[in-house]
Amino acid sequence: DTGVSQDPRHKITKRGQNVTFRCDPISEHNRLYWYRQTLGQGPEFLTYFQNEAQLEKSRLLSDRFSAERPKGSFSTLEIQRTEQGDSAMYLCASTPTGNTGELFFGEGSRLTVL
Amino acid sequence: QKEVEQDPGPLSVPEGAIVSLNCTYSNSAFQYFMWYRQYSRKGPELLMYTYSSGNKEDGRFTAQVDKSSKYISLFIRDSQPSDSATYLCAMSTGNQFYFGTGTSLTVIP
Repeated sequence: DTGVSQDPRHKITKRGQNVTFRCDPISEHNRLYWYRQTLGQGPEFLTYFQNEAQLEKSRLLSDRFSAERPKGSFSTLEIQRTEQGDSAMYLCASTPTGNTGELFFGEGSRLTVL
Repeated sequence: QKEVEQDPGPLSVPEGAIVSLNCTYSNSAFQYFMWYRQYSRKGPELLMYTYSSGNKEDGRFTAQVDKSSKYISLFIRDSQPSDSATYLCAMSTGNQFYFGTGTSLTVIP
């Protein structure tokens, strides 16, 4: 399967713990996006990378959130000191460089903070 | 005002009906227009995308873009129970993607 891969699919944690999600994009895709989605809402932009460079971050991305894409391949999204409001589906998506409407999503990592 | 407006529904139709899903937008800079299907607790699946105005057909699905009215539509012909899902519209300037809230569709056998 050469689609976008996310791990873990579901994470249950206690408030105050740190969690990390991993995303492996489609191999030839240079751009990688992170979104957050809550029930009944569309995906909300968090950040995106062009290769290893983080080009834009949303105001939603507080200082407890950090994302990396160290070698321009896979990416990680870490949430420190989790809060109950962080409970959501975290979606990763990738697309080739250049003007394109083809944004492909992974299956998501669902976070539950108790 | 949100960048993209989409009626959340829910929409319920009998099997075989033609379904019409719509979104409006405000940003004239949008060039790419997409429709995604999302099943419960799954990631969005890209159904179709179009560049600029016009129609695009793929099997039972037809996407329409009217940039002059800032209005896009997805039509589903001969709807099937397996089409029951949430449908998200999305739009892009090329760098950033903006999503509607999704329309929940149920096709009743």
